[in-house]
Amino acid sequence: AIQLTQSPSSLSASVGDRVTITCRASQGISSALAWYQQKPGKAPKLLIYDASSLESGVPSRFSGSGSGTDFTLTISSLQPEDFATYYCQQFNSYPTFGGGTKVEIK
Amino acid sequence: QLQLQESGPGLVKPSETLSLTCTVSGGSISSSSYYWGWIRQPPGKGLEWIGSIYYSGSTYYNPSLKSRVTISVDTSKNQFSLKLSSVTAADTAVYYCASLQIAAAGKYFQHWGQGTLVTVSS
Repeated sequence: AIQLTQSPSSLSASVGDRVTITCRASQGISSALAWYQQKPGKAPKLLIYDASSLESGVPSRFSGSGSGTDFTLTISSLQPEDFATYYCQQFNSYPTFGGGTKVEIK
Repeated sequence: QLQLQESGPGLVKPSETLSLTCTVSGGSISSSSYYWGWIRQPPGKGLEWIGSIYYSGSTYYNPSLKSRVTISVDTSKNQFSLKLSSVTAADTAVYYCASLQIAAAGKYFQHWGQGTLVTVSS
């Protein structure tokens, strides 16, 4: 199975900060990677698919990049509603998820 | 806009079979645009894909659960279902159903149900 390692596992940031989360795959997955946002008690929400494509309705402050084994999710200016846990997910063979990154208020 | 809703017992006894159904509204489960899947999340932990199904009945299972999982589809009811046999406390989790968008490079979970907590306990 392809393993996804996210870093950091948690971070503290302030409103307006630029935030970057990384996801590393244990083997190359081309661009078959998505990012999700999950708030407590809620289902995950798709933000980015195919590594860099923005899902419809998702604010443009979210962006994704990378291919092969190294990927990043960037939030250009953190907003109060962005405090949540973020997961990456690959679909090279069957789906697996990263361990998550919790973004907390500094 | 697709909407999905899980239903089924919230409490299952150890060694028994967990059974959940996902009802799809706002679109047809027979659409060639989507696969359909189950994902679970133990309390306080991360996400685990359980399996997926296409409207034709083709199924794909997580190798770690394959021996215990059956996913089926009922196109007449616009539903798909999950059965997980021989459950233990380790199967206690919030279970989500979701649609899988078929994109250029892969498949991703686009629309999600609200999730249902299933507890395995005697």
